Amino acid sequence: QVQLAESGGGVVQPGRSLRLSCAASGFIFSNFAMHWIRQAPGKGLEWVAVIWYDGNNKYYADSVKGRFTISRDNSKNTMYLEMSSLRPEDTAVYYCARERWFGSFWFDPWGQGTLVTVSS
Amino acid sequence: NFLLTQPPSVSESPGKTVTISCTRSSGSIASNYVHWYQQRPGSSPTTVISENNHRSSGVPARFSASIDSSSNSASLTISGLKTEDEADYYCQSFDNNNQGVFGGGTTLTVL
Repeated sequence: QVQLAESGGGVVQPGRSLRLSCAASGFIFSNFAMHWIRQAPGKGLEWVAVIWYDGNNKYYADSVKGRFTISRDNSKNTMYLEMSSLRPEDTAVYYCARERWFGSFWFDPWGQGTLVTVSS
Repeated sequence: NFLLTQPPSVSESPGKTVTISCTRSSGSIASNYVHWYQQRPGSSPTTVISENNHRSSGVPARFSASIDSSSNSASLTISGLKTEDEADYYCQSFDNNNQGVFGGGTTLTVL
C-alpha cells in the first residue's frame, strides 16, 4: 500500500539548519508531485512547498521562501526539506504528502509527520 | 494570494446535519479545486472530499460537499451525525502561483 514516512525532526536552535526526509513506498514515486505541509502545535495546517515529479519545478510558501529548499531523489524514492535560518515560528509537525494527480493539489495520502522544535 | 475562511467551531447533536463553510476571499471559488480533510486528534489528515465534491474511498455517503459561486464558498455537509465524526475539518485549495491554501480549520463537536 502507499506509504510515506517522515524523519529527521528534532530540537534545533534558532538560526540553525535541519533536513527532513520523506521515504515513499507502494507507488511509482517518480510519477508524482510531492508536498510538505506543517502544523504548529494546536494550530491549523499550513502548506509549505511542492516539488514536481521530475524535480524541475519547486514552489514555496512566502513564509519559508529563501530559507527552505525542497528536493527529491527519485532513485531513492525520497523527498527532502532542507530548512535553514530556522525561527521559533517554524516549530511544527511537518507532514509530507503525495499529490494524487498532477495539477490537483489534492494531498493524499499524508505521512505520520515529524516534529521540529526550534528553541534555544 | 487569497484566504479561505472557516468557522472555528460547530456543534450539533447525533443524528442531525451540520454544514461547514469555506469562503474564498478573492478570486472565484470555482477557479481551483477545493478539497476537504478530516483530522482526528493525534492523527494525520485524511481526505473526505476531493475535487469539490468527490467523496474519497471509504468515506460514508453521509459526507457531501459543494461549491457555490454566488457566495464564493465551498461547503461540507455531514448528515446523520455520529460521535465518530468529531474531528477538525480543513478545506484546501491552491492559487495560480502553485501555492497551496488551507482554511483555518473547523472543530466539529457532536454532543
